[in-house]
Amino acid sequence: QSALTQPPSASGSPGQSVAISCTGTSSDVGAYDFVSWYQHHPGKAPKLIIYEVTKRPSGVPDRFSGSKSGNTASLTVSGLQTEDEADYYCSSYAGSNNVIFGGGTKLTVL
Amino acid sequence: EMQLVESGGGLFQPGGSLRLSCAASGFTFSNYWMYWVRHAPGEGLLWVSRISNDGNTASYADSVRGRFTISRDNANNTLYLQMSSLRAEDTAVFHCARARSGGYFDLWGRGTLVTVSS
Repeated sequence: QSALTQPPSASGSPGQSVAISCTGTSSDVGAYDFVSWYQHHPGKAPKLIIYEVTKRPSGVPDRFSGSKSGNTASLTVSGLQTEDEADYYCSSYAGSNNVIFGGGTKLTVL
Repeated sequence: EMQLVESGGGLFQPGGSLRLSCAASGFTFSNYWMYWVRHAPGEGLLWVSRISNDGNTASYADSVRGRFTISRDNANNTLYLQMSSLRAEDTAVFHCARARSGGYFDLWGRGTLVTVSS
């Protein structure tokens, strides 16, 4: 399977909201409610922030939310904070025990 | 505190071999499937190998099948990736990650950089 498609960059000012899209196909994003999102500050361990499309792990602020429509999933970060500046990756289950990732989106907080 | 710590990266020549390790702590390692995920420069993430919790089932991405071997030592809470016949395109940060049902990864290490160059 091909990688999921994410915009290479996104930006917003502190306090604003920003949405990052993740587009797949009817064989992955559109087929399963198993989309997850990861926050990655370079040099650190990636961190799970959304799983199963909308669920947040314990400790993840509710400023982070996930959704899905058809073959496209989205991560919304509300009330942007400077520490949200990071790379964000989506992933989706794609059947047959396969998981695919997006190319990543660099979020800049202006 | 749950933690994964990778080691074994460095500079290696094309055609060479190395073994990556991932030390797990703070959780029952033997309960989880584990993955190695590659992050090449300027690219997205890509899983390269995975192994069942008991070590009996392993899978590989097409790009590494036949060259990489994943294994684990549940007694010592360690995951391994034996990499051979290295190619320049293997240059990447390799993360180990703990897998959950539904295809997501709830614990990652910060990775170890493998550079393949002459």
